[in-house]
Amino acid sequence: AQSVAQPEDQVNVAEGNPLTVKCTYSVSGNPYLFWYVQYPNRGLQFLLKYITGDNLVKGSYGFEAEFNKSQTSFHLKKPSALVSDSALYFCAVRDDGGYQKVTFGTGTKLQVIP
Amino acid sequence: EPEVTQTPSHQVTQMGQEVILRCVPISNHLYFYWYRQILGQKVEFLVSFYNNEISEKSEIFDDQFSVERPDGSNFTLKIRSTKLEDSAMYFCASKTRQADYGYTFGSGTRLTVV
Repeated sequence: AQSVAQPEDQVNVAEGNPLTVKCTYSVSGNPYLFWYVQYPNRGLQFLLKYITGDNLVKGSYGFEAEFNKSQTSFHLKKPSALVSDSALYFCAVRDDGGYQKVTFGTGTKLQVIP
Repeated sequence: EPEVTQTPSHQVTQMGQEVILRCVPISNHLYFYWYRQILGQKVEFLVSFYNNEISEKSEIFDDQFSVERPDGSNFTLKIRSTKLEDSAMYFCASKTRQADYGYTFGSGTRLTVV
């Protein structure tokens, strides 16, 4: 079975400071990892993915994530937070088999303080 | 940019009534999904659909649920006899092919069962 853990319900960061949203995962095969963002009363928007290759992946809106196989982590990062980054962030994983049901984490609310 | 369209955006129904949630996936996509998010909780997989049949479903997707792609365009989720606990945001998603890995989500339908 595959699973995702987002240990922080909320992350607060000052505007202009770097941000990190944590995610760890568990899969039986090779992991495909994703980050999605959800703004209030909106759907889920794809941010970035890791499938294979470079451990540091870059995505939309200046976000990036680092895949660490030994720590089974896929933390989301941004060098300089914007107030408009305030939203709910979901980490998601699937293994490389089957029809690719994606399992989501519980979400982390990011609050960027002006 | 192509979008997944969901209608209605909000539906209120009485307990025991049937509801149909509608989705129009991106036109060249082949794999279709329904997820739900109970308020304040994680995003949960319901069902995946490919080649006009269900390819995978979760424990949540019991006999009260069904999906259909009636006309090659729409992808519907039917709940036969709604319960209070069916109140949630329901997201449709689609993607192009099995090896593709980024879903495109719709903006969701908020279902309120009273």
